[in-house]
Amino acid sequence: NAGVTQTPKFQVLKTGQSMTLQCAQDMNHNSMYWYRQDPGMGLRLIYYSASEGTTDKGEVPNGYNVSRLNKREFSLRLESAAPSQTSVYFCASSDWDGTENEQFFGPGTRLTVL
Amino acid sequence: DAKTTQPPSMDCAEGRAANLPCNHSTISGNEYVYWYRQIHSQGPQYIIHGLKNNETNEMASLIITEDRKSSTLILPHATLRDTAVYYCIVRVVIADKLIFGTGTRLQVFP
Repeated sequence: NAGVTQTPKFQVLKTGQSMTLQCAQDMNHNSMYWYRQDPGMGLRLIYYSASEGTTDKGEVPNGYNVSRLNKREFSLRLESAAPSQTSVYFCASSDWDGTENEQFFGPGTRLTVL
Repeated sequence: DAKTTQPPSMDCAEGRAANLPCNHSTISGNEYVYWYRQIHSQGPQYIIHGLKNNETNEMASLIITEDRKSSTLILPHATLRDTAVYYCIVRVVIADKLIFGTGTRLQVFP
């Protein structure tokens, strides 16, 4: 199993450009998440999807949109990138069934907005 | 969600036990304590979690005080590969969200 995969690994954008970060998991998990991590900080939740067809805002949703394309895939879109969105973005998934469980994280996408 | 307090950094000699403390004095009865670690800038890795009993797995042990206001993650025989940032997270079981703090940077030295 590949686990959680993310593309691209690195990206440089100019202010105002748009892009979509892709995430896929092969563990048949119900829930998927997008986090961002700024230098020296812990991860902050942007959006999550508890199940296929549902999405909810996390701590820092402004400037982002998400799509839960199917059970496997959860994408994060920046419509008009800003330098404040320079960060490392992590996708995660879990087999959420209402009880305790762990989240599995992808390797991250390192985004720089100039 | 309850907040956690961790020391920003700790050192540990290779082969010795690493004891990482976490304070969560405002924890509620339905909140679990989770530990994750992040090596370099990789995605965080789950280590262990518990509610009120002590827990042990192949990676670590988790000791939770009787009043549940603090806990300690124990890596019994630290290796250089355990050098990482360790996050203590308190999580409501019905809310599938993790709230990360800034963690403890553990440096294992030879």
